Amino acid sequence: AQSVTQLGSHVSVSEGALVLLRCNYSSSVPPYLFWYVQYPNQGLQLLLKYTTGATLVKGINGFEAEFKKSETSFHLTKPSAHMSDAAEYFCAVSDTGNQFYFGTGTSLTVIP
Amino acid sequence: GAGVSQSPSNKVTEKGKDVELRCDPISGHTALYWYRQRLGQGLEFLIYFQGNSAPDKSGLPSDRFSAERTGESVSTLTIQRTQQEDSAVYLCASSSQTGALGGYTFGSGTRLTVV
Repeated sequence: AQSVTQLGSHVSVSEGALVLLRCNYSSSVPPYLFWYVQYPNQGLQLLLKYTTGATLVKGINGFEAEFKKSETSFHLTKPSAHMSDAAEYFCAVSDTGNQFYFGTGTSLTVIP
Repeated sequence: GAGVSQSPSNKVTEKGKDVELRCDPISGHTALYWYRQRLGQGLEFLIYFQGNSAPDKSGLPSDRFSAERTGESVSTLTIQRTQQEDSAVYLCASSSQTGALGGYTFGSGTRLTVV
């Protein structure tokens, strides 16, 4: 069975500071890993994904995530937070690619 | 269409009534998913359609929930005898690749409120 844990339901950072959103997963097989972002009153958008190959993946808006198999983690980072990054972020995992399991989300607040 | 379209965007219904939610996926997308997002919680998988294969209904929470999809087009999610715990945002997503490895495209959701 798959599961995703996002540590910290709420994260606050100052504008310009590092953003780090944590995601750990459980999977019995090499997983497919995704981060989605949900802006207020909008649907979820794909931010980035890991399927195979390079373990450091870059996404839109300057975000990146690194797949660390030994730590079963796929943390999302951005060097410098912008006010427009305020949103809900969801980590998702799949083993087969047919069904995805989402974390409970992390709400990011950016403080001016 | 250009994106995944869901209707209605908001629905308020009385407890015990039936509701029908609609999802119009991106043209050509073979896979379609329904998720439920309760307030303050993550996305809960409900059902998955892939082409003409039998749907994966393993996430439907009770027999009050059902969904249909005709071919690779519109899908409807029906909730019978609604309860207050059914209040949530219902999200539909579609994908062009088997297994959605390209990532889902989500609709904006239907916010269902049962009063």
